[in-house]
Amino acid sequence: DGGITQSPKYLFRKEGQNVTLSCEQNLNHDAMYWYRQDPGQGLRLIYYSQIVNDFQKGDIAEGYSVSREKKESFPLTVTSAQKNPTAFYLCASSTSGVQRDTQYFGPGTRLTVL
Amino acid sequence: EDKVVQSPLSLVVHEGDTVTLNCSYEVTNFRSLLWYKQEKKAPTFLFMLTSSGIEKKSGRLSSILDKKELFSILNITATQTGDSAVYLCAVDRLGSQGNLIFGKGTKLSVKP
Repeated sequence: DGGITQSPKYLFRKEGQNVTLSCEQNLNHDAMYWYRQDPGQGLRLIYYSQIVNDFQKGDIAEGYSVSREKKESFPLTVTSAQKNPTAFYLCASSTSGVQRDTQYFGPGTRLTVL
Repeated sequence: EDKVVQSPLSLVVHEGDTVTLNCSYEVTNFRSLLWYKQEKKAPTFLFMLTSSGIEKKSGRLSSILDKKELFSILNITATQTGDSAVYLCAVDRLGSQGNLIFGKGTKLSVKP
């Protein structure tokens, strides 16, 4: 069964703690993306990666970090430097390059800071 | 600054009604426009539009792009309660490495 998985589904964090959100895909996609969604807002790009061991900042990268050590995995760390981390986080993947296809999304992780 | 604007932001209709959702954009180096449906969790892909005037259709849903006037519409005929969702419009640009620009979405509520 091909797809994108994210874990955990819900995550609670105390202020000052770093947390890592998992994103795994078995679609053999080169490109992976992290988005943040706030109520009544569209998706905003945090980080993206077109290939293993390479990634770029999106529009709202401050307070976040990522790694891309494997093609299948693109974990996102929400650091204590992120001022308003409570949000819904979505991971996506796609083929890359000029002929890239649409992005496919995981089920999301809802992060709440207590 | 590149932007995507959707209207209306929310809409309430009754089952059987036909609805039209709008998406306008101002971007440099347009590549494609995408529509997604989001029901509480992962957005699911509906359509990708690249050429003007060619309607894409899937069941009761259809969409068309106007690259001259820089907008797209998503039509849903004979709406059902299962169509209740947030509909997201996004634009991909040439040379952007796939960074999509999303609108804020239209929240559609279909009442029985």
